[in-house]
Amino acid sequence: EAQVTQNPRYLITVTGKKLTVTCSQNMNHEYMSWYRQDPGLGLRQIYYSMNVEVTDKGDVPEGYKVSRKEKRNFPLILESPSPNQTSLYFCASSRALSYEQYFGPGTRLTVT
Amino acid sequence: QKEVEQNSGPLSVPEGAIASLNCTYSDRGSQSFFWYRQYSGKSPELIMFIYSNGDKEDGRFTAQLNKASQYVSLLIRDSQPSDSATYLCAGLTGNQFYFGTGTSLTVIP
Repeated sequence: EAQVTQNPRYLITVTGKKLTVTCSQNMNHEYMSWYRQDPGLGLRQIYYSMNVEVTDKGDVPEGYKVSRKEKRNFPLILESPSPNQTSLYFCASSRALSYEQYFGPGTRLTVT
Repeated sequence: QKEVEQNSGPLSVPEGAIASLNCTYSDRGSQSFFWYRQYSGKSPELIMFIYSNGDKEDGRFTAQLNKASQYVSLLIRDSQPSDSATYLCAGLTGNQFYFGTGTSLTVIP
């Protein structure tokens, strides 16, 4: 089954404790992206990647890091999480030419 | 600042009616536009995309793009209660996406 998976689905952590949210897709997609969704602000793009070792900033990259060492994986790293990073995070992937994104199930992160 | 704006609604239509969802965008460099449906507590799922001026139809859905007016719309014909969801409009500029805040649609049986 074609899918985008994210782990964990739910995470409660404390300020400053480094965390990684994993994202993996099995569709051989070139384009992968991370979004955060907040009430009243909609979906905002954090980072995206056009292919292995090619990443670029989206609209709200501050406080986040990504890497793309393998085509299927695109982890999101919060090195020192803060309460304003409490949000619902989505990973998405698509073929590079079509941009028809498939979204993962989401990760709800709470930073206290 | 690249922006995509949507009326947040809520929009209510009776079952069987046409639902019209609208979106405006600020960046004339945006090359494609996408409509996603998001059920409460779920992830967005792509309905359709459009990149040329005019209409594009897919089943009960029609996307319309007017680049001169910087306006994108989605029409849902024969609306069903299962269409009740939040509809997200997104513009693609280069390789970057900009989403609107979504319009909540309720289809009343």
